[in-house]
Amino acid sequence: GAVVSQHPSWVICKSGTSVKIECRSLDFQATTMFWYRQFPKQSLMLMATSNEGSKATYEQGVEKDKFLINHASLTLSTLTVTSAHPEDSSFYICSAESGGAQGEQFFGPGTRLTVL
Amino acid sequence: GNSVTQMEGPVTLSEEAFLTINCTYTATGYPSLFWYVQYPGEGLQLLLKATKADDKGSNKGFEATYRKETTSFHLEKGSVQVSDSAVYFCALGVQGAQKLVFGQGTRLTINP
Repeated sequence: GAVVSQHPSWVICKSGTSVKIECRSLDFQATTMFWYRQFPKQSLMLMATSNEGSKATYEQGVEKDKFLINHASLTLSTLTVTSAHPEDSSFYICSAESGGAQGEQFFGPGTRLTVL
Repeated sequence: GNSVTQMEGPVTLSEEAFLTINCTYTATGYPSLFWYVQYPGEGLQLLLKATKADDKGSNKGFEATYRKETTSFHLEKGSVQVSDSAVYFCALGVQGAQKLVFGQGTRLTINP
């Protein structure tokens, strides 16, 4: 199957700093990428959908100025958590869609963010 | 709204035991249903899917049938192996797989 990578796999930062997480589709072009957030022992919650070359579509309740998403190419999307606070600590997972009418989503391994 | 409820874990079984992980859903319209598996240190992988009522998805010995009348998509396997130890997520898809709504995940551990 197609491979999606995320970098970094884990990051610890101080409160008030910004953190960038990269999501790459390694062997296919992804017109659409998705960002999810997962709290411990809870399900993945869709944060936003990003399409290459256009603005991301955020789910209700997700602050777009807090979670900046850039999808600059068909193989790379970035999520920047701005002015991070301890409540932003979570597991962030991206996925990339392979396209087509029933395009399958391929998931990255996730990035664990801890804000001190 | 759309939601998925799945069996709480963790679930621990012995090798060769029969497995059922329950999943029920609430949805408007006619969603597609999915089971994803997450092995330690890896991303979620699609295990199987069903796109309409009465469809049965199957893969690697796992099966699940889309039951519209009971709004369920229970995952079953007749004889589990240690290598099946993972976290399993039930999900429904609106607009195909475009927008996925996940259950909370069930951690499965198989002991030899």
